[in-house]
Amino acid sequence: GAVVSQHPSRVICKSGTSVKIECRSLDFQATTMFWYRQFPKQSLMLMATSNEGSKATYEQGVEKDKFLINHASLTLSTLTVTSAHPEDSSFYICSAQRAGGGNEQYFGPGTRLTVT
Amino acid sequence: KNQVEQSPQSLIILEGKNCTLQCNYTVSPFSNLRWYKQDTGRGPVSLTIMTFSENTKSNGRYTATLDADTKQSSLHITASQLSDSASYICVVSAGGSYIPTFGRGTSLIVHP
Repeated sequence: GAVVSQHPSRVICKSGTSVKIECRSLDFQATTMFWYRQFPKQSLMLMATSNEGSKATYEQGVEKDKFLINHASLTLSTLTVTSAHPEDSSFYICSAQRAGGGNEQYFGPGTRLTVT
Repeated sequence: KNQVEQSPQSLIILEGKNCTLQCNYTVSPFSNLRWYKQDTGRGPVSLTIMTFSENTKSNGRYTATLDADTKQSSLHITASQLSDSASYICVVSAGGSYIPTFGRGTSLIVHP
């Protein structure tokens, strides 16, 4: 159990457009989901933490108006990159914590975003 | 400030050889430590989780150790395989916080 999926796995978009990435916990309820960004050969950088039904908490330096996070249900969180620019090209990974299951994070497979 | 330092940054070994990756942390109060394997272009996958009272845990050819006194952990890989080529990330959680601290990872390349 504890499978997390992300969709799409890869996306290419033009500069100025918006892209939505979905993160789903397939076989468990996730009260908390995390969004990370990872540049080549770098570690994961936490962007924001989202709790179901409440506003996301963004890490310092992450623009909340640019990276819109919605956690509308216990199994789905979405990250929308608005007005994407080439510097937003990165690998975006989500993770989910099981409700009542301690602080273990189960990671999704990631989404490769390329902005041209 | 909670920090996790991993060494070496990168490592190249021949197939069949053993290797050990290191993780030092200053996270307090300590709750647990996890080692993840991240293949290129994939999300991290958990290898082991260790709590304060555990000092050794194995998962197949992977053996993690924890010394809570010195705040050090190691991940030993036995009889390496080409599929072990990946980034290995040490993640430490503090009690009372659900946001863990990530190490920068060790990039392991196994050559035939």
